[in-house]
Amino acid sequence: SQQGEEDPQALSIQEGENATMNCSYKTSINNLQWYRQNSGRGLVHLILIRSNEREKHSGRLRVTLDTSKKSSSLLITASRAADTASYFCATDMKTSYDKVIFGPGTSLSVIP
Amino acid sequence: EPEVTQTPSHQVTQMGQEVILRCVPISNHLYFYWYRQILGQKVEFLVSFYNNEISEKSEIFDDQFSVERPDGSNFTLKIRSTKLEDSAMYFCASSEAHGGGPGTQYFGPGTRLTVL
Repeated sequence: SQQGEEDPQALSIQEGENATMNCSYKTSINNLQWYRQNSGRGLVHLILIRSNEREKHSGRLRVTLDTSKKSSSLLITASRAADTASYFCATDMKTSYDKVIFGPGTSLSVIP
Repeated sequence: EPEVTQTPSHQVTQMGQEVILRCVPISNHLYFYWYRQILGQKVEFLVSFYNNEISEKSEIFDDQFSVERPDGSNFTLKIRSTKLEDSAMYFCASSEAHGGGPGTQYFGPGTRLTVL
C-alpha cells in the first residue's frame, strides 16, 4: 500500500545547524505535506507541495519534491531548540485523494 | 486565526462502552477527517467525509466506528463497544474545497482516549 517513509528515524543536531529529513512514497500523488508534532500535542501543518512543483520555501523551511524518485526532503536551516519535535510527511494518492497517509516520522532533537 | 477544536481533551472509558468524540471544524471547510495515533506510533487515517457522506475509509474504520455531522458545525466520531486497543489520540482535521487532492488539512489538538 502507498506510504510515506521518513528517514532518518531520529536526528540530533546542535542549535544553528541545518536539519534534513527525507520522505519516500510508493505511488503517484497529488500533494505531499509536511507536519510537525511536539510531544503529546497536535499536528501543525508546515508546507504543502503539489506534484507539479519541485521546491517550496517557507521561512527557514525548504521542501523539495522529486516525483521521478518518489521522494521529498524537508530542510530546516539555522535550527533552534524550539524546532525539537517529530516531523511527518503525508501523501495522498492520485486515485484516492481524500485519503492521506502519514509516514512514521523523524524525531528531531536540537541541542542548545 | 480559525482553528479546529475537539472535545473532550481526554476521555476515559470502560471496555465495552460507547464513546463519542466531538470536533468543530473550521467554519468554511467542507472536508472532514478523523485520524488516530497510538502512543509512540504514526498517525493513521480513519475516514474522510464530504457532502454528508463518507468519501474514503481505511481498513481500521470497521463497523465499530461511525461518523456524523449532526448539525452545521459539529463532526463526531462514535466508537461502539470500545476495546483496549482503541486507546489512542484521535485527531480531527478539516480542509477547504479543493480542485485536486485534499489540500492543507488543519488538525485539532486531539482527544486522548483511554480504554480501561
